[in-house]
Amino acid sequence: NAGVTQTPKFQVLKTGQSMTLQCAQDMNHNSMYWYRQDPGMGLRLIYYSASEGTTDKGEVPNGYNVSRLNKREFSLRLESAAPSQTSVYFCASSATPTGELFFGEGSRLTVL
Amino acid sequence: GDSVTQMEGPVTLSEEACLTINCTYTATGYPSLFWYVQYPGEGLQLLLKATKADDKGSNKGFEATYRKETTSFHLEKGSVQVSDSAVYFCALSDFNQGGKLIFGQGTELSVKP
Repeated sequence: NAGVTQTPKFQVLKTGQSMTLQCAQDMNHNSMYWYRQDPGMGLRLIYYSASEGTTDKGEVPNGYNVSRLNKREFSLRLESAAPSQTSVYFCASSATPTGELFFGEGSRLTVL
Repeated sequence: GDSVTQMEGPVTLSEEACLTINCTYTATGYPSLFWYVQYPGEGLQLLLKATKADDKGSNKGFEATYRKETTSFHLEKGSVQVSDSAVYFCALSDFNQGGKLIFGQGTELSVKP
């Protein structure tokens, strides 16, 4: 009964370092998403993948890249981390682009 | 573009009090509307939804009615419990805009015994 699994749950980086957040879902969903959550700003969409083989920018894509590795996995990469990227990151999936989203537990990233 | 505005928190209530969290939206098309809830240390989960005007979504004692004339989707519960303490997010999904969810800023609810 895993649903959406994100790793790592916590990470501390120094400015300029790179890292990849991993996300996998076992619900055979077509669509996957990466959001960031910041105090007072709700959730903002970084990138999404409506279906395997496609990715599109969301509201705040700058400084990030994504890879839809296969139907199950959707990774988010920070090439050169900045303090402004300190946030909680959530991966989500849905059966269709307009369907209910299922969220992972989040990954808390701190950039010093 | 489409947007969602929620009442600011935090909201603090005593157990068994009535709850209303206001949500209004702006959309060019005919969106579906959602309430998601985030319990401490967890990801978001769908609480209820409504897909067309005058629809009422309900779950776990919470209700919200899709009001097209006032572009609102207020969340209500008649008697809150300590276990309802969480952050509540209003969201919309507009098929004409690709169907991606757009969230409000969230409202933190704290219920005291």
